[in-house]
Amino acid sequence: AQKVTQAQTEISVVEKEDVTLDCVYETRDTTYYLFWYKQPPSGELVFLIRRNSFDEQNEISGRYSWNFQKSTSSFNFTITASQVVDSAVYFCALSEARRGGGYQKVTFGTGTKLQVIP
Amino acid sequence: EPEVTQTPSHQVTQMGQEVILRCVPISNHLYFYWYRQILGQKVEFLVSFYNNEISEKSEIFDDQFSVERPDGSNFTLKIRSTKLEDSAMYFCASMADRARPDTQYFGPGTRLTVL
Repeated sequence: AQKVTQAQTEISVVEKEDVTLDCVYETRDTTYYLFWYKQPPSGELVFLIRRNSFDEQNEISGRYSWNFQKSTSSFNFTITASQVVDSAVYFCALSEARRGGGYQKVTFGTGTKLQVIP
Repeated sequence: EPEVTQTPSHQVTQMGQEVILRCVPISNHLYFYWYRQILGQKVEFLVSFYNNEISEKSEIFDDQFSVERPDGSNFTLKIRSTKLEDSAMYFCASMADRARPDTQYFGPGTRLTVL
């Protein structure tokens, strides 16, 4: 069974501070995919990144960066120089790969609510 | 950029009534999903649908739920007799092609309120 743990329920930072959102996952599969989604107050789910289990290279996209470490089963997300518009709930998620390609269901963590204070 | 759309954005219904939530997946996508998010909680998988049949469903997806792709473009979730605990945000998602692993793209959600 797959599981995603986001131990931080809520985080508040002052604008321009850096913030790291933690994500720890459990899976018995050797091939899986990890995701981060952003859910702003309007409620939609915005895809941020997908990582497959064979690619441990860290990724940077503007102010966002992700640190994937298989040894600790973690996939942490850092926002550099946070802005008020970053205020949202962030979900880490996991999906095991189906034989022949494609995904099974996505399992979400409980989310971390980030509040960026001006 | 193509996107998943859902209607209505908000549905209010009385307990015991039937509701149909509608989704239009991205046009060349082959895999379709419904997820549910009770207010303040995490997003939970309900069902996946491929090749006109359910490929996987969760414990939540009991006999009062059904899914259908009636016309090749819409993907619907029907709740036959709504309960108070069905109040939630319902997200539809679609994915392209199993030969090329891809991301599930989510619609904006339908907020269902059962009174």
